[in-house]
Amino acid sequence: EVQLVESGGDLVQPGGSLRLSCAASGFSVADYYMNWVRQAPGGGLEWVSILYSGGDIFYADSVNGRFTISRDTSKNTLSLQMNNLKADDTAVYFCIKGGIRGTNFESWGRGTLVSVSS
Amino acid sequence: SYVLTQPPSVSVAPGQTARLTCGGDNIGGRGVHWYQQKPGQAPVLVINDDRDRPSGIPERFSGSNSGNTATLTISRVEAGDEADYYCQVLDDTSYVFGTGTKVTVL
Repeated sequence: EVQLVESGGDLVQPGGSLRLSCAASGFSVADYYMNWVRQAPGGGLEWVSILYSGGDIFYADSVNGRFTISRDTSKNTLSLQMNNLKADDTAVYFCIKGGIRGTNFESWGRGTLVSVSS
Repeated sequence: SYVLTQPPSVSVAPGQTARLTCGGDNIGGRGVHWYQQKPGQAPVLVINDDRDRPSGIPERFSGSNSGNTATLTISRVEAGDEADYYCQVLDDTSYVFGTGTKVTVL
């Protein structure tokens, strides 16, 4: 059974940094498209970043240059390093296993809350 | 960037049919995916590539896509279908979500 468990969400000041982690089980993060999607309080869904099984990485324009996605195959985890955080980054961040062709979001974690406020 | 437009809300009586639309420029040429999100929960994929239902999704959920509109149809609506529904497409190397539709079961 596929399971994704996020951790690392916290309250952080504007300009600060935070690292999110996602522990995966039931599959290998190295073999699938892995994503982060976020949802602001009361808002809709926004794609953040993807890490292809082959290693290619892409980011949404809103986080490009500030966020870094990575994986640790020995621990079977996905991470998101977030720097220079802004109030607009406040959201629940979901870790997601992508579909086989990388076009959709097949399995979701429960999410972790990041709050950016002074 | 590509934009997907959904009506903010749809209300439907139990047992009736709900039709949720997702509008986009020539969306019929793209694969559309639909997600259901109940309050306090993570989204769940309910329709894949326009019309395919993932394992465990009831047959009451169906999808279509043509021209500038994709549609998620929920037949014989139940109280448990009350949720937010989002459409999604791949746009080059980016992923776009619709604005979401809140389905209220009367």
